[in-house]
Amino acid sequence: SQTIHQWPATLVQPVGSPLSLECTVEGTSNPNLYWYRQAAGRGLQLLFYSVGIGQISSEVPQNLSASRPQDRQFILSSKKLLLSDSGFYLCAWSGTSSGNTIYFGEGSWLTVV
Amino acid sequence: AQSVTQLGSHVSVSEGALVLLRCNYSSSVPPYLFWYVQYPNQGLQLLLKYTTGATLVKGINGFEAEFKKSETSFHLTKPSAHMSDAAEYFCAVSGGSNYKLTFGKGTLLTVNP
Repeated sequence: SQTIHQWPATLVQPVGSPLSLECTVEGTSNPNLYWYRQAAGRGLQLLFYSVGIGQISSEVPQNLSASRPQDRQFILSSKKLLLSDSGFYLCAWSGTSSGNTIYFGEGSWLTVV
Repeated sequence: AQSVTQLGSHVSVSEGALVLLRCNYSSSVPPYLFWYVQYPNQGLQLLLKYTTGATLVKGINGFEAEFKKSETSFHLTKPSAHMSDAAEYFCAVSGGSNYKLTFGKGTLLTVNP
């Protein structure tokens, strides 16, 4: 079966510091990978998605970037965090083995102080 | 392009009462529709999905939803609420080959004893 892991689960970072959130998927190959952000009262917003290694599409202009160095690894980064980057970040995957369904990781809480 | 509207950001029911969470969508292509549930500080869990075929879809935990194309709706129901159903529920739509999901803003379900 397929599993998705993301870490760290919680993170408190000062304004201006860098960020790295990691996500890996197991049990499938060539998945589509996604980063969503959930801010209080604003639902879920798609930030990035990737259909293959090195292929990243950005949905919203922002202070964040994403990379996919390996087939099943997806990384969310920032060089300098802003207060507005605080939120709950969710990694997700889909692919041929999931049909047309997107499955989510457990999420990472980021608080920028 | 797709969009989702969830009517009611907060729904409160008594234990044993009918649960009805409303979702309307718009899509320029035949939609795939999903309901996810999110418990506090956790990721999203798939409840059920509609892709093609039968318009009444049954999911986990006794929930079901009916796809009504003429009304562009995909409302979620459960005949009898349980305390463990208290959570936030998200309706989502996707279309196209990259499986990107567009979410509604969510409905917080409270179950009163």
